[in-house]
Amino acid sequence: GAGVSQTPSNKVTEKGKYVELRCDPISGHTALYWYRQSLGQGPEFLIYFQGTGAADDSGLPNDRFFAVRPEGSVSTLKIQRTERGDSAVYLCASSLISGAFGGEQFFGPGTRLTVL
Amino acid sequence: GENVEQHPSTLSVQEGDSAVIKCTYSDSASNYFPWYKQELGKRPQLIIDIRSNVGEKKDQRIAVTLNKTAKHFSLHITETQPEDSAVYFCAAYGTALIFGKGTTLSVSS
Repeated sequence: GAGVSQTPSNKVTEKGKYVELRCDPISGHTALYWYRQSLGQGPEFLIYFQGTGAADDSGLPNDRFFAVRPEGSVSTLKIQRTERGDSAVYLCASSLISGAFGGEQFFGPGTRLTVL
Repeated sequence: GENVEQHPSTLSVQEGDSAVIKCTYSDSASNYFPWYKQELGKRPQLIIDIRSNVGEKKDQRIAVTLNKTAKHFSLHITETQPEDSAVYFCAAYGTALIFGKGTTLSVSS
């Protein structure tokens, strides 16, 4: 079946602009995760959803970052007033259920965000 | 919160040699420890994982060991091949999946 998909694959924006990044999880996966990966670093946890609700948003760096998953499937990560330091690859992952016993997290290809 | 340390940051081996990557974690409540392989420009892919109720798991040339008392776990790759060259990440799941900084493995033929 189809894996996790993310759009766009690349996004270039100017400092101060607003961006939305979209994630389509594997069908039937109830848990969805967002990570940010900077060059030479491991993925950094941002937020995860169990169904429609954000179960843990402790990784969001500040209130410019927000994510939604209104119907429990597709999720959108929203970044307001972008800064150059937001430039990174934003990865989305999904798993059948959440938690340590939720099984493998399958990653999408990522969105490379560049803030000029 | 959880903190995961990974060593070494780079590792170069000859084809056929073994490679070992070590990680430590801080949260004793963490109970799931996956390892991901990431090739340049690609997404991370799970290669093996271990849960806290076992001490070792093996899958062909790859094995992982876990020492919960010492809070460390290791990845062992035997008979390395050039296609094993990639960045490897360990991770620990307590309340969220926290990754190490990665190890760049280079296997030369």
